[in-house]
Amino acid sequence: SQKIEQNSEALNIQEGKTATLTCNYTNYSPAYLQWYRQDPGRGPVFLLLIRENEKEKRKERLKVTFDTTLKQSLFHITASQPADSATYLCALPNTGGFKTIFGAGTRLFVKA
Amino acid sequence: KAGVTQTPRYLIKTRGQQVTLSCSPISGHRSVSWYQQTPGQGLQFLFEYFSETQRNKGNFPGRFSGRQFSNSRSEMNVSTLELGDSALYLCASSTEGVNTEAFFGQGTRLTVV
Repeated sequence: SQKIEQNSEALNIQEGKTATLTCNYTNYSPAYLQWYRQDPGRGPVFLLLIRENEKEKRKERLKVTFDTTLKQSLFHITASQPADSATYLCALPNTGGFKTIFGAGTRLFVKA
Repeated sequence: KAGVTQTPRYLIKTRGQQVTLSCSPISGHRSVSWYQQTPGQGLQFLFEYFSETQRNKGNFPGRFSGRQFSNSRSEMNVSTLELGDSALYLCASSTEGVNTEAFFGQGTRLTVV
């Protein structure tokens, strides 16, 4: 069955450093992949979408890569700030359609 | 443009009762998806509706049901509540459902006692 894996352990980094989060998937060839941010007690907020024919996508301090051979996406936040502390979720459309599957998320803590 | 609105925000119910949650999507969005989020399981897909038709359903028991109205507003119902149904229920709307970003509501926090 289709599976998405994100590092379940929290990531702690110092302010100003680059945070790198990983999303791996199996039994799957998605046409695109999405990243969302979720703050405690709130719904996820869309950040970026990258398509299978795109190797990299950037938005301000965010960068996403998509390696369909490795079946992996990397999400980078450069010059991280304490306000970046949140849970980051990757999401993929399922093969059957009309359904988005989310990873469990990785909790990021940025220390001042 | 108003965002996705979910009501109520918080709810406390007793085991065995039933509950109805409501979701008003962003104007113009015809796809509405529902998710259950618990600390241990993450976001679990419940179902997706588009133009009043359920197009996909997750692996939840029949106690979980939903519907969508002609104005795209959606409701989900959980009957015979169990303690394990305590969770944050999130609704997301999008224009077509799959190839576009999803806009989430704030969620309804359901506590079953």
